[in-house]
Amino acid sequence: GQQLNQSPQSMFIQEGEDVSMNCTSSSIFNTWLWYKQDPGEGPVLLIALYKAGELTSNGRLTAQFGITRKDSFLNISASIPSDVGIYFCAGPGAQKLVFGQGTRLTINP
Amino acid sequence: DVKVTQSSRYLVKRTGEKVFLECVQDMDHENMFWYRQDPGLGLRLIYFSYDVKMKEKGDIPEGYSVSREKKERFSLILESASTNQTSMYLCASSFGGFGQPQHFGDGTRLSIL
Repeated sequence: GQQLNQSPQSMFIQEGEDVSMNCTSSSIFNTWLWYKQDPGEGPVLLIALYKAGELTSNGRLTAQFGITRKDSFLNISASIPSDVGIYFCAGPGAQKLVFGQGTRLTINP
Repeated sequence: DVKVTQSSRYLVKRTGEKVFLECVQDMDHENMFWYRQDPGLGLRLIYFSYDVKMKEKGDIPEGYSVSREKKERFSLILESASTNQTSMYLCASSFGGFGQPQHFGDGTRLSIL
């Protein structure tokens, strides 16, 4: 079945640093979704991408829909402590969304 | 904003009990989903529903059943709880086709003793 590979699996950074993570698919997607999950909470939708090459921002977050339609990228600029959590990518599979395994972000103050 | 409400944040039950997890959404979404989330295994789909009284098995339906008697409510049932069903359970809802964003509840952390 379809799989999403997220990289890196975890990140340990200093407050104020920029963050980059990506997601690759074994097949073409026509939608890419990025979620964030705070500890003990449910995932919250951050950004939705619907077109190859699309670049969309949400505050300090920017996500891009890869030209090949098999990948997507999420960048966070000037990280702050509340950015801590797990970031998931997702895309449409057969009758369901397929989720990546997540990137766990830890920030040292 | 979409609101997906799960009835309990934390729940402790005993092996063999029948357990009900309730989920309600307030946005008239057709689609509702139940996932479990375990460390290292990500989000795994248990069951989903695209309409009232309709249900489809996800990737790991064994030991679970669901009920959707009303559009806004989707219940997950553990027929006879076992310790390997200790997990974080997440409910989600969405509008439209498979690629549409799903909106999640805050989760129920279930412990089976």
